[in-house]
Amino acid sequence: KAGVTQTPRYLIKTRGQQVTLSCSPISGHRSVSWYQQTPGQGLQFLFEYFSETQRNKGNFPGRFSGRQFSNSRSEMNVSTLELGDSALYLCASSFTGTGGGTEAFFGQGTRLTVV
Amino acid sequence: GNSVTQMEGPVTLSEEAFLTINCTYTATGYPSLFWYVQYPGEGLQLLLKATKADDKGSNKGFEATYRKETTSFHLEKGSVQVSDSAVYFCARETGANNLFFGTGTRLTVIP
Repeated sequence: KAGVTQTPRYLIKTRGQQVTLSCSPISGHRSVSWYQQTPGQGLQFLFEYFSETQRNKGNFPGRFSGRQFSNSRSEMNVSTLELGDSALYLCASSFTGTGGGTEAFFGQGTRLTVV
Repeated sequence: GNSVTQMEGPVTLSEEAFLTINCTYTATGYPSLFWYVQYPGEGLQLLLKATKADDKGSNKGFEATYRKETTSFHLEKGSVQVSDSAVYFCARETGANNLFFGTGTRLTVIP
């Protein structure tokens, strides 16, 4: 089974621009979550989509948005980029494992640098 | 509220040493608990999990027991290898398919 695929792996953008990141989940997984990882704040939850609907949202400004398509692929968009948005953005696809509890499988991430 | 408190790193050990990385959580109820590992330049990989009190998760020689009395889920390994060098994250489930992570503990194992 192919894993979670995130594209692109690396991005350099200028302040004020916008960016779109893509995530293809594991086949059959309908839930996709996004996380931001920075040295200062660690791993923070952005949002989660299930069957094209956003079910949960973390504490991030409205510049961060996402969507999910009917094939479960997801995109996240950041508008009006700020220097502080530089981070590793991780996507995870999930299912409920044997015995309960979410099992999240992560992609390798997209490293975004804002200059 | 939701929180996960993880032992501050970095941790440096010699090969074959015993490893413990402490993790405690706050919760109402009994959330599922996880340990994830991140190797350099990679995303996170699930190392082990426990879904209810007294469960023991284990994988690749690592173990962690879900202890409700102490709200803890400490990661242990009897004999670490150089290849175990990575960052380890404790996490709890907070809702539908979202995880709250600890700050991570960097482990370096020296030959």
